[in-house]
Formats: sequence, structure tokens, C-alpha cells
Amino acid sequence: EAQVTQNPRYLITVTGKKLTVTCSQNMNHEYMSWYRQDPGLGLRQIYYSMNVEVTDKGDVPEGYKVSRKEKRNFPLILESPSPNQTSLYFCASSLAGRGEETQYFGPGTRLLVL
Amino acid sequence: AQKITQTQPGMFVQEKEAVTLDCTYDTSDQSYGLFWYKQPSSGEMIFLIYQGSYDEQNATEGRYSLNFQKARKSANLVISASQLGDSAMYFCAMSPRASSGSARQLTFGSGTQLTVLP
Repeated sequence: EAQVTQNPRYLITVTGKKLTVTCSQNMNHEYMSWYRQDPGLGLRQIYYSMNVEVTDKGDVPEGYKVSRKEKRNFPLILESPSPNQTSLYFCASSLAGRGEETQYFGPGTRLLVL
Repeated sequence: AQKITQTQPGMFVQEKEAVTLDCTYDTSDQSYGLFWYKQPSSGEMIFLIYQGSYDEQNATEGRYSLNFQKARKSANLVISASQLGDSAMYFCAMSPRASSGSARQLTFGSGTQLTVLP
């Protein structure tokens, strides 16, 4: 089944404790991206990656890191989480051609930083 | 910069009736794509429908259709014959229809919460 998976789905942590949210896709997509969703703000892009070893900042990159060492994986790293990073996080992927390029989303990760 | 505006925070519709969810956008790109996503209470983001800026016909996918008015920069979602399972948050989004090697950032609106009444 073609899908984007994220782990963990739910996470409660404390300020300053490093964490990683994993994202994996099995569709051989070149493009992957991380979004955060906050009430009243819709989804905002954190980081994106055009391909292996190619990453760039989105609209709200502060406090986050990413890496793309393999095509299928795109982990999101919070080196020192803070309460304002409490949010719902989505990973998404798509093809990188000239076509429709619909982005397919993972199930989301709910993060609470105390 | 791109901007998506959804002016209806919440909408109600009677089961089996049609409903239109509004979306207006602003962009300086000549070529772009418009998307609608559904987010049920379980939280996942489900792709519904896509419209390319150069597509002459309005997109349709089953009970979903996109009323695209380029001159007005609007891309309203029409759901026909509403079902109870359509109750969800709906997001309009757009992306530049970039050539290979360019960013594909999706810009989202703030969403419309649709409630279908029995």
C-alpha cells in the first residue's frame, strides 16, 4: 500500500529534551516536506527536501532540523524543544516532475512540550 | 508570495444537500495548482481534488467539484449530496506549478469546518 508513515503518532516531552519524529514514504517520491498545524493558522511549511541531501527552509524553520540521507526517509529533529513547538506535525511527499504533484500526507504526529 | 483566504470558519449543511466552500487566492505566479484537502476529526489530511491554473475545465472527482474562476482568483469547492461523513475541516491550498528543480511549497488557508446535519 502506497503511504507516508510517521512515528511516533503522539509524544509528550519536556522542554529541552531532544526528539526526532521519523517520516518514511514507499512511493519513491523525490519531494518531501514537513508542516505544522496550529489552530486558526492552517498548515505552515517547516522544511522541505527536493531529493537526497537537498533540503531547504520553509516558512517556519526556527527550532527545527532535518536530514535526507535516503530517498524514503525525512526525519524532523527538535534539538531543544520549547512549549511553542506544541503542535500537530505532518510529513508529506510528492513526485518532482512537471505534473500535478499532489502532496500525500502522513497521519500526523501530535506533540506536546511541557 | 502566495496567500489563500478561506472566509468561512464554519458551515452547516443539511444531509443530501449541496454546499459550497469558498476559497480565494493571491499569487504572482503564472502557473499554479489549487488543491483541496479534507481533515476529519481523526486528524489525517486527505487529498480531494486538484485544479491546474491552465486547465480549461473545472475539476471533478465524484461528489466533489472545483468551481475555478481565474479572473476572480477563486477556487470554491462544491460538495454535492452531502453525507454525514463529510463533516470535517476542509483546507484550500495552492502551489506554484514549478519546473523540475524548483520548490513545491503548499500554501494553506485557515480552513472551513463543515458540519453535515442529519
